[in-house]
Amino acid sequence: GQQLNQSPQSMFIQEGEDVSMNCTSSSIFNTWLWYKQDPGEGPVLLIALYKAGELTSNGRLTAQFGITRKDSFLNISASIPSDVGIYFCAGTGYSSASKIIFGSGTRLSIRP
Amino acid sequence: GAVVSQHPSWVICKSGTSVKIECRSLDFQATTMFWYRQFPKQSLMLMATSNEGSKATYEQGVEKDKFLINHASLTLSTLTVTSAHPEDSSFYICSARDLSNGNQPQHFGDGTRLSIL
Repeated sequence: GQQLNQSPQSMFIQEGEDVSMNCTSSSIFNTWLWYKQDPGEGPVLLIALYKAGELTSNGRLTAQFGITRKDSFLNISASIPSDVGIYFCAGTGYSSASKIIFGSGTRLSIRP
Repeated sequence: GAVVSQHPSWVICKSGTSVKIECRSLDFQATTMFWYRQFPKQSLMLMATSNEGSKATYEQGVEKDKFLINHASLTLSTLTVTSAHPEDSSFYICSARDLSNGNQPQHFGDGTRLSIL
């Protein structure tokens, strides 16, 4: 079945640093989504991407839908403590009723 | 924005009891709802997809007699874990989507932490 490979698995940042994470797949996706999950809560949608090549920003977050439809990246600029959490990429196929496939997540922590 | 309410947020019960989890869309109609299970430090694993008024579609390896799903209205879906055992302890998350209104994204509830003693 379809799978998403997300990297890195975890990263430690210092406040103010820029962060980058990405997802790749062997299959084509119609939609790419980026979610953030805080401990004990459900995922919250950060950015949704619907077109190949699309570059979308949400505050300090920027995400792109790869031209090949098989990858996406998320950048966070000037990180702050509340950015800590788990970030998941997710994708859906061409059918609007398709289920979301989740990546394995990137755990973002503040370097002490 | 779209809000999905999940209840209860956590539950502890004895082995052998059945537990019902509710998922409600508060300000939109949820034509489709999804139930996920998440183990510690792992990603969300889809258990089943339910469309309002229809039987749920279960993912491979998920026992439909164990995890009963009802989606009787456009704003409510329930997941019942029947005869729960310690291995059923997990974080269960629902999400809802309105497929009658274009390509709308899924919105997630805050999850239910289930602990079976």
